Amino acid sequence: EAGVAQSPRYKIIEKRQSVAFWCNPISGHATLYWYQQILGQGPKLLIQFQNNGVVDDSQLPKDRFSAERLKGVDSTLKIQPAKLEDSAVYLCASSLVSGVYEQYFGPGTRLTVT
Amino acid sequence: KNQVEQSPQSLIILEGKNCTLQCNYTVSPFSNLRWYKQDTGRGPVSLTIMTFSENTKSNGRYTATLDADTKQSSLHITASQLSDSASYICVGDNTNAGKSTFGDGTTLTVKP
Repeated sequence: EAGVAQSPRYKIIEKRQSVAFWCNPISGHATLYWYQQILGQGPKLLIQFQNNGVVDDSQLPKDRFSAERLKGVDSTLKIQPAKLEDSAVYLCASSLVSGVYEQYFGPGTRLTVT
Repeated sequence: KNQVEQSPQSLIILEGKNCTLQCNYTVSPFSNLRWYKQDTGRGPVSLTIMTFSENTKSNGRYTATLDADTKQSSLHITASQLSDSASYICVGDNTNAGKSTFGDGTTLTVKP
């Protein structure tokens, strides 16, 4: 079975620019997660989708971050405008259903903001 | 506040040796304890998932233990290999609230 796909793998932008990340979860997985992982730390949940609805976005900085999951499959995460402290790895994960904690992670997108 | 503390922060061992990583959690109410392996530049990969009623679970050379009374878990790696070099992340779940708390990981380096 194909895993979680993410693109791009790496991105370098200047502060105040915008950037978007894409995620394609495992086929049939209803729940999709976006995490931010700063170097040396564990992943921090940004947003969780169940199909195309938002379950939890309590830690998403909504003044600059947005995410959508059209048609309950692929998802995009956008940052606009980026700040230096947004430099991190952005991980996408999926699970069969919400509440099932067997999560499958993608390879991540490493963002560097200069 | 829910917290997951992992120790040590980093560890260096020689190939073939065993090691144990620790995880202390304050997640309430507690449901599951997960361990992940994260290779450099990759996403985390699940090693074990234990419910609050389980005491131990193995996955090859990896054995996780859970003591829900003391709120401690450990991950034991037997006969380490160079490929075990990675970050190991502990996660505590509160399924009632649908919340998970990630630790900051232990970085393991296995040297030949």
